[in-house]
Amino acid sequence: DAKTTQPPSMDCAEGRAANLPCNHSTISGNEYVYWYRQIHSQGPQYIIHGLKNNETNEMASLIITEDRKSSTLILPHATLRDTAVYYCIVRSRIYNQGGKLIFGQGTELSVKP
Amino acid sequence: DGGITQSPKYLFRKEGQNVTLSCEQNLNHDAMYWYRQDPGQGLRLIYYSQIVNDFQKGDIAEGYSVSREKKESFPLTVTSAQKNPTAFYLCASSGWPTSDTQYFGPGTRLTVL
Repeated sequence: DAKTTQPPSMDCAEGRAANLPCNHSTISGNEYVYWYRQIHSQGPQYIIHGLKNNETNEMASLIITEDRKSSTLILPHATLRDTAVYYCIVRSRIYNQGGKLIFGQGTELSVKP
Repeated sequence: DGGITQSPKYLFRKEGQNVTLSCEQNLNHDAMYWYRQDPGQGLRLIYYSQIVNDFQKGDIAEGYSVSREKKESFPLTVTSAQKNPTAFYLCASSGWPTSDTQYFGPGTRLTVL
């Protein structure tokens, strides 16, 4: 599975959009980009995933660059409850064994009033 | 209410004792996973199971054992052979291979004194 690079921490003002970047320059054609988040001392929560096209759901939007070497998770109107560690994970749905995930260090997002 | 339950939330044990962490799911998922998380770190995979009566080692299986006798249950035993057992333990399940979104339990924080 391709390795990902994320900034260790970011701040965002409440009500503003939070844009969390992820670099995955060694991603291969069959690898998806997944985002999870983990609020302190809780289990991680799935947010969104995509392959090539941009995706949007009720929680967030995922923008993947045309060359697929990087992506951005967008929380359109961040609230204090969005304060968490956000993990960007890249993995293949074809070759990966049993759907396991490989978590990096993630980005600690602090939403401030 | 569908989901994953882990019990207890906090567990204390003396060094040298084996301890078993419970994980139950009612999502009808075939695949289940155990992760370990140390302070300030991402999650690391201990064991996973794709189907009843079958399981595979993850990246850090030494000192741990699992069983999968029922679809709903995937208990993890932390043995006395695990050198640094104090950690936050997370269980997850997914509908692999149909869907690979993982759903996590609330976690068990194990402290070995």
